[in-house]
Amino acid sequence: KQEVTQIPAALSVPEGENLVLNCSFTDSAIYNLQWFRQDPGKGLTSLLLIQSSQREQTSGRLNASLDKSSGRSTLYIAASQPGDSATYLCAVSFSNDYKLSFGAGTTVTVRA
Amino acid sequence: NAGVMQNPRHLVRRRGQEARLRCSPMKGHSHVYWYRQLPEEGLKFMVYLQKENIIDESGMPKERFSAEFPKEGPSILRIQQVVRGDSAAYFCASRTQPTGELFFGEGSRLTVL
Repeated sequence: KQEVTQIPAALSVPEGENLVLNCSFTDSAIYNLQWFRQDPGKGLTSLLLIQSSQREQTSGRLNASLDKSSGRSTLYIAASQPGDSATYLCAVSFSNDYKLSFGAGTTVTVRA
Repeated sequence: NAGVMQNPRHLVRRRGQEARLRCSPMKGHSHVYWYRQLPEEGLKFMVYLQKENIIDESGMPKERFSAEFPKEGPSILRIQQVVRGDSAAYFCASRTQPTGELFFGEGSRLTVL
C-alpha cells in the first residue's frame, strides 16, 4: 500500500528558529511531490512542487528536498515567523494521473 | 487568472436531503479531482475526472455519491440522502497537463443535521 507519513504531528518553535518538517513515503517510484499549507477552515495553498527528477526546490524562505531512494522529503522554513503558523501537508503522486496521496500533516505554531 | 472556485462554501442539510457541490477549475485546466477531509482526519481522494469522463472513482463510496464534469460548466459532486457521517470539507483541485501540479479550491463545508 502506498502511504505518506508526516512526523511530528505538531511542532512549536520560537520566532526566528528554522523549521524542519519531515515526510516519508513507502514507494520510491513517484511522479512528483507537493508541499501545501492549510490554515484553519481554509483551502490548500501550494508551496512547492518537486518533480521526480529533481532533488530540491526553493521559493523564498522555503526549501524542499527529495530523496526518492530513501523515500523522504524535507521542508525547511528559514527564520520562522508567527505568520508561518499553519498545518503543512505533504502529498505524493504515485501514478501518471497525478492523483495525490496526503500525509496527515504537521501543525506548526511559531511563538512570538 | 482566477483560482479554483468552489461553491457553496458552506452548506447545511438535514438527513435524507441532497447536497450538490460545484467546482470550476482554473482556466485551461481539464483535469479535476475531488477530495474529502473528515473532521480531525487527512485528505482522502474521491474521484478524478476529465471533461465528460470519470477516470478514477476508486475513492468514492459506491452508494449515494456521484460526480460529473460536463463539456460545459462546472464539475458537480452530488451526495444523495445525506447522513451525519457525510459532514466534512470537500475540496476540488484542478491541473493542466505539463507539470502535474494540483491547485486546490477553498473547499465546501457540508454540515448534516
